[in-house]
Amino acid sequence: SQQGEEDPQALSIQEGENATMNCSYKTSINNLQWYRQNSGRGLVHLILIRSNEREKHSGRLRVTLDTSKKSSSLLITASRAADTASYFCATAGMEYGNKLVFGAGTILRVKS
Amino acid sequence: GAGVSQTPSNKVTEKGKYVELRCDPISGHTALYWYRQSLGQGPEFLIYFQGTGAADDSGLPNDRFFAVRPEGSVSTLKIQRTERGDSAVYLCASSLVGGFGGHNEQFFGPGTRLTVL
Repeated sequence: SQQGEEDPQALSIQEGENATMNCSYKTSINNLQWYRQNSGRGLVHLILIRSNEREKHSGRLRVTLDTSKKSSSLLITASRAADTASYFCATAGMEYGNKLVFGAGTILRVKS
Repeated sequence: GAGVSQTPSNKVTEKGKYVELRCDPISGHTALYWYRQSLGQGPEFLIYFQGTGAADDSGLPNDRFFAVRPEGSVSTLKIQRTERGDSAVYLCASSLVGGFGGHNEQFFGPGTRLTVL
């Protein structure tokens, strides 16, 4: 089962532009995590935001969490060609026995 | 330092055969997770080990799938009587301590691409 749904499914932008990806989920959560996956490679953990947090920053990444709307967004500022990858949100919560449940991902392409 | 490694990187087998996929977690990580990722989808949880024991195997799709971690380090995912629908990338991850509700970052391996003909 996949509880997170990313939006958009695919995004193409120019280098230097900002990229925003959204994630919606269905049940209450303990935390929400964002991962990046480059083509043919493993997942890399980007950032974790707890359910009692609203915003978190890490370098060029900014994550927001709105538990009332059951949604999160990932903003990548000043994008680079190397940011081209698939981005997944994953939720952890008691409803799913604290499993990490991933969405289907957003494919980001940054054109140089 | 060494990350999570998985072998083989690719495995092609015929329907009905038995396969084993291996995962070497980061040294010292007590928790180990297996996921399966189909094309165009996010990873789906299969099983989670805390030490040597399977703390949660609720994601295993059926009894053809089995995983072990006898010494609390290396893990092997075993699939019997493979079916074409088993074709996917099998990902392994490890974390310093276990559980999902806390703040335990999971480090993923590159995966094993299994193709069942």
